[in-house]
Amino acid sequence: GAVVSQHPSWVICKSGTSVKIECRSLDFQATTMFWYRQFPKQSLMLMATSNEGSKATYEQGVEKDKFLINHASLTLSTLTVTSAHPEDSSFYICSARSEAGTHSYNSPLHFGNGTRLTVT
Amino acid sequence: GDSVTQMEGPVTLSEEAFLTINCTYTATGYPSLFWYVQYPGEGLQLLLKATKADDKGSNKGFEATYRKETTSFHLEKGSVQVSDSAVYFCALSGSNAGNMLTFGGGTRLMVKP
Repeated sequence: GAVVSQHPSWVICKSGTSVKIECRSLDFQATTMFWYRQFPKQSLMLMATSNEGSKATYEQGVEKDKFLINHASLTLSTLTVTSAHPEDSSFYICSARSEAGTHSYNSPLHFGNGTRLTVT
Repeated sequence: GDSVTQMEGPVTLSEEAFLTINCTYTATGYPSLFWYVQYPGEGLQLLLKATKADDKGSNKGFEATYRKETTSFHLEKGSVQVSDSAVYFCALSGSNAGNMLTFGGGTRLMVKP
């Protein structure tokens, strides 16, 4: 079945540094990928929609200069947390839909295993 | 806009007990409905889905029926196991919402031996 690989699975960085998280669709092409953030004991919050070859669409309240998203190919999207601070510590999850088409909303998303970011 | 409401947890059950996690939704049109499961330390996995009214999704002993009249998609399992301990998310994907999912708040299930 469709597989989404996310790397790294966990990262610890110092405040002020930048961290890049990769999301790859391994056996399908994903024109659209999604980035979610999950706070402890809370639900998922959609951060942005990543579109191949164009600028990402950010949800209200998400700083696009803080969370840089690049979707350079049909199988890779990256999220870079710039100048990370302790409040950016969270669980970040990417996802992609494996079936395209006008009724793609019927198709489930496939999720990466997530990246736990800890900023010290 | 679209929204999903699911019962707050944690839900604590003994092994072999019957499980119900309630989920109701608000959406325009005819959304597709999903249950995702998140095991400790892992990402999300699709558990089951239903794409139209009266459809029943099922997987690993879990079931949920798409009830348009009550706008519900309750998750059930007849006999839970310790390995079912996880967080369960109800979600919808609306026909007018592009490719995005709207998630419920998640319900933590703890099954004790």
